[in-house]
Amino acid sequence: EAEVAQSPRYKITEKSQAVAFWCDPISGHATLYWYRQILGQGPELLVQFQDESVVDDSQLPKDRFSAERLKGVDSTLKIQPAELGDSAMYLCASTPGDEETQYFGPGTRLLVL
Amino acid sequence: AQSVAQPEDQVNVAEGNPLTVKCTYSVSGNPYLFWYVQYPNRGLQFLLKYITGDNLVKGSYGFEAEFNKSQTSFHLKKPSALVSDSALYFCAVRVHNNNDMRFGAGTRLTVKP
Repeated sequence: EAEVAQSPRYKITEKSQAVAFWCDPISGHATLYWYRQILGQGPELLVQFQDESVVDDSQLPKDRFSAERLKGVDSTLKIQPAELGDSAMYLCASTPGDEETQYFGPGTRLLVL
Repeated sequence: AQSVAQPEDQVNVAEGNPLTVKCTYSVSGNPYLFWYVQYPNRGLQFLLKYITGDNLVKGSYGFEAEFNKSQTSFHLKKPSALVSDSALYFCAVRVHNNNDMRFGAGTRLTVKP
């Protein structure tokens, strides 16, 4: 069964450093989402792509976060500089163009020291 | 904007007993409702969804959920709990033609032998 791939699974960094997360959605899935999940809470959408275009980045802290999906396939989420409050699980999800269900990857757990 | 409430942070049941994890929602329009399960340090796994049709939806691992429009609820149920069902459960809602998925805060289910 096809799955969403994410790497790294775990990342420890010091504040003010730059970090990057990678996501490869299920093949053929046009829509890709990045979520942030703070411990004890549900996921919150950071950015949504339709193919290579950003559909919604209203909740993305654009002063430090950036996301791209240059060829409309895999995607990278970057934080620069990282802050202590960025410690969380970063989840990637994807859907085909005409389906409602979002399929999630295993996530990247970030710890900022 | 849509929202989801999971009124119980924690649900404890004995193995073999029925379980219920509660979810209520608020939307403008017809809701699409989802249940996901999350195991430690993993992404969210899709369990089931309600889009339209029969109010009783059957999903993975013996779980089912009932859509109740008058009570704006979508409670997750299982007739006989297993220890392996112990995990974090998330309810989510979105509306048609809107990819904005909102998640509840999650309910931790513990099934004791």
